[in-house]
Amino acid sequence: DQQVKQNSPSLSVQEGRISILNCDYTNSMFDYFLWYKKYPAEGPTFLISISSIKDKNEDGRFTVFLNKSAKHLSLHIVPSQPGDSAVYFCAASDYNYGQNFVFGPGTRLSVLP
Amino acid sequence: DAGVIQSPRHEVTEMGQEVTLRCKPISGHDYLFWYRQTMMRGLELLIYFNNNVPIDDSGMPEDRFSAKMPNASFSTLKIQPSEPRDSAVYFCASTTTAGLGIQQYFGPGTRLTVT
Repeated sequence: DQQVKQNSPSLSVQEGRISILNCDYTNSMFDYFLWYKKYPAEGPTFLISISSIKDKNEDGRFTVFLNKSAKHLSLHIVPSQPGDSAVYFCAASDYNYGQNFVFGPGTRLSVLP
Repeated sequence: DAGVIQSPRHEVTEMGQEVTLRCKPISGHDYLFWYRQTMMRGLELLIYFNNNVPIDDSGMPEDRFSAKMPNASFSTLKIQPSEPRDSAVYFCASTTTAGLGIQQYFGPGTRLTVT
């Protein structure tokens, strides 16, 4: 059973527009979430995180929104740039239980010039 | 800081051979993770350590896999004997809970091919 889902395997967006990547989770004990970006042949790179005490966290062009009641989070990238083209992973953990992160399957974002 | 260092970057071995993957976490980080990435299963957590002590190894596929962390600056993941289905990219990551939240830093990965 997949506890963290990213239902869109791929997404294409025009340069300069907003990219919205979605993530759903099933485990209500998850209270800490992270987004990673991964280029081919490289390890994932941490992007942004959010804990369940907040519903929004912003870092430059990246904003993560958390809707705890819907068990849904989203990553917004504004404006999108061609260098943002990568696979984006959502990860979740139950912070009180430990750092046992569960990753989603990823969404491949293509930003078209 | 050089980040999380993994070696080797690529490993090709024959079925039945022992494989050892190495990881040097970021200095000062108190958690270390081993992940495996495959096309079929995505990114899976195999095991993680806190202050060199294994905390959760429930993701380790079977007894052929073992991991050690003899000190804060070094960890190994060993597969003995290796099988073709072990072919994957293995990532090591480290984090610290100091400061705000949790930030997990990944190494570049080791691409393992077992023939």
